Amino acid sequence: EVQLVESGGGLVKPGGSLRLSCAASGFTFSDYSMNWVRQAPGKGLEWVSSISSSSNYIFYADSVKGRFTISRDNAKNSLFLQMNSLRSEDTAVYYCASERYVEGFDPWGQGTLVTVSS
Amino acid sequence: QSVLTQPPSASGTPGQRVTISCSGSSSNIGNKNVNWYQQLPGMAPKLLIYNDNQRPSGVPDRFSGSRSGTSASLAISGLQSEDEADYYCAVWDISLSGRLFGGGTKLTVL
Repeated sequence: EVQLVESGGGLVKPGGSLRLSCAASGFTFSDYSMNWVRQAPGKGLEWVSSISSSSNYIFYADSVKGRFTISRDNAKNSLFLQMNSLRSEDTAVYYCASERYVEGFDPWGQGTLVTVSS
Repeated sequence: QSVLTQPPSASGTPGQRVTISCSGSSSNIGNKNVNWYQQLPGMAPKLLIYNDNQRPSGVPDRFSGSRSGTSASLAISGLQSEDEADYYCAVWDISLSGRLFGGGTKLTVL
């Protein structure tokens, strides 16, 4: 079964840090670009960051540039998002997603909730 | 306010055909392929349409996509109650070097 499972979410104070992980199974992880997408409570989807299959190309949304770092370990079929200098507006469910179709995100993980609050 | 504009809501009765629009610009829809996602309540999004009009395996052919100029559309024919969900368009933006999602359209089946 093709699957992505996120972990690492939780409650953190403003200015704090958190590292999200995404474990892939059921497909050749190293063949595909990977992405993080977030969804604030009651809001729409917001793309956060993407990384190419060999980590050669990395992109960030302006809202997280300089604070978040995406990385991957193809040997361990894992994707990561290091989040520093967290703000209240970063509160959201964070999804990881693979680009197994032409720029189409599939599959998606179940999401992990990050809450930034004092 | 999203760079990609979708109507906030749409509705239809069972069996009807509904369309959802997504309006962008030459830096995104005008030059890049559009994808569509369905998000059922409380669930993760699911890829519905990729590469403007292609369906992943398992997606019913009631769902179709198209792109023309700087706009794209998702059409759902033979509307069913289980189609009640939020729908998002998405596309790469050349100027921003980033992916954009539309603001989402909440589809209600009356």
